[in-house]
Amino acid sequence: GESVGLHLPTLSVQEGDNSIINCAYSNSASDYFIWYKQESGKGPQFIIDIRSNMDKRQGQRVTVLLNKTVKHLSLQIAATQPGDSAVYFCAESGDNFNKFYFGSGTKLNVKP
Amino acid sequence: DTGVSQDPRHKITKRGQNVTFRCDPISEHNRLYWYRQTLGQGPEFLTYFQNEAQLEKSRLLSDRFSAERPKGSFSTLEIQRTEQGDSAMYLCASSGRGPGGEQFFGPGTRLTVL
Repeated sequence: GESVGLHLPTLSVQEGDNSIINCAYSNSASDYFIWYKQESGKGPQFIIDIRSNMDKRQGQRVTVLLNKTVKHLSLQIAATQPGDSAVYFCAESGDNFNKFYFGSGTKLNVKP
Repeated sequence: DTGVSQDPRHKITKRGQNVTFRCDPISEHNRLYWYRQTLGQGPEFLTYFQNEAQLEKSRLLSDRFSAERPKGSFSTLEIQRTEQGDSAMYLCASSGRGPGGEQFFGPGTRLTVL
């Protein structure tokens, strides 16, 4: 399939290591944040979300951290696997979910 | 119904022609979004429907673009007088009535304007 990550920042990690993907947002009024994973030739897939009244949220092997002071969001993936190789996007929205703004994405390469 | 579907998956057209894409959201999802994605970029918001009402439309959206969701179920996105710059992946997403904003994306329609 066609790659969506030809000119994206790339993070290369060894299989089994932890990965940290960062995202900066600009709108201090944003209330809701999502991380998506996009594999080549597919639409984005929801990973985890967090509201602005939280600093941290954990899912299965993933953790999202939100620092509202510096408007920074991060996605931590524990024990990264080859199947985690994809492009990762953060997205932000107001509390009415009427529109979402996506970041430019980070390509994650997991080396076996 | 296992997810959001889009039709067609690929469309090649000549500059100046009109094209229409269809999105079928997950059943009973009341929110529906259209995005455009170009190579190496994140999805760019185009428009949002809640049921049949179009509540948001990007200011970047040319008047050549129009979207409808007549019965609050499927949606169509039409591009009139296509230009080469319209070449992109057009993504549709839907979400439900719950407190979260999780969107489920379709596979997209790849438009190539020659």
